[in-house]
Amino acid sequence: SAVISQKPSRDICQRGTSLTIQCQVDSQVTMMFWYRQQPGQSLTLIATANQGSEATYESGFVIDKFPISRPNLTFSTLTVSNMSPEDSSIYLCSVSRDRELGNTIYFGEGSWLTVV
Amino acid sequence: ILNVEQSPQSLHVQEGDSTNFTCSFPSSNFYALHWYRWETAKSPEALFVMTLNGDEKKKGRISATLNTKEGYSYLYIKGSQPEDSATYLCALYHRSQGNLIFGKGTKLSVKP
Repeated sequence: SAVISQKPSRDICQRGTSLTIQCQVDSQVTMMFWYRQQPGQSLTLIATANQGSEATYESGFVIDKFPISRPNLTFSTLTVSNMSPEDSSIYLCSVSRDRELGNTIYFGEGSWLTVV
Repeated sequence: ILNVEQSPQSLHVQEGDSTNFTCSFPSSNFYALHWYRWETAKSPEALFVMTLNGDEKKKGRISATLNTKEGYSYLYIKGSQPEDSATYLCALYHRSQGNLIFGKGTKLSVKP
């Protein structure tokens, strides 16, 4: 298993500001991912955080809006930039020890963001 | 675009009832199906990862079956308890996508 700590767990943010979410894992992992769940929607993958290189973004998500860092195999950050009310979501960090997801992936407790 | 559908969207049962819900997915190029339980303010907790057609897995009172040919999985809870109240998510790992595609979940409420 993997223990994943996310900070902040919850925040209320002003429109137009940016917030950085941190994800710390208790052991080295191969894959780290960032997900978002908007109200009433599915968990949706934002990007895969790659160690030492630029993140791989899914369709509909761009680096300018969601810059991601992964300086090592246990830590990653996601920034939500220039926030609007539509960015109010739960943001989840997840990790996997496998490149092909045929085994369990583990999640943090999520960061609940409300943009006002 | 691949879709993973879960039904019902929500379910209210009495303590002691047994219940089940469905996850439907495209059957072609199947690789793995994940089930998670997500309680409010907690991490999604992995229940099962299923890869073989006909697979049946069990964890305490919870079990799941998989039919990859027709593209569905059932999750069963026997003798529901209030602590089973959570949202149950299924997610498809499809090789063409390279990541997990989640359904919207089934929200289960168990009344004492």
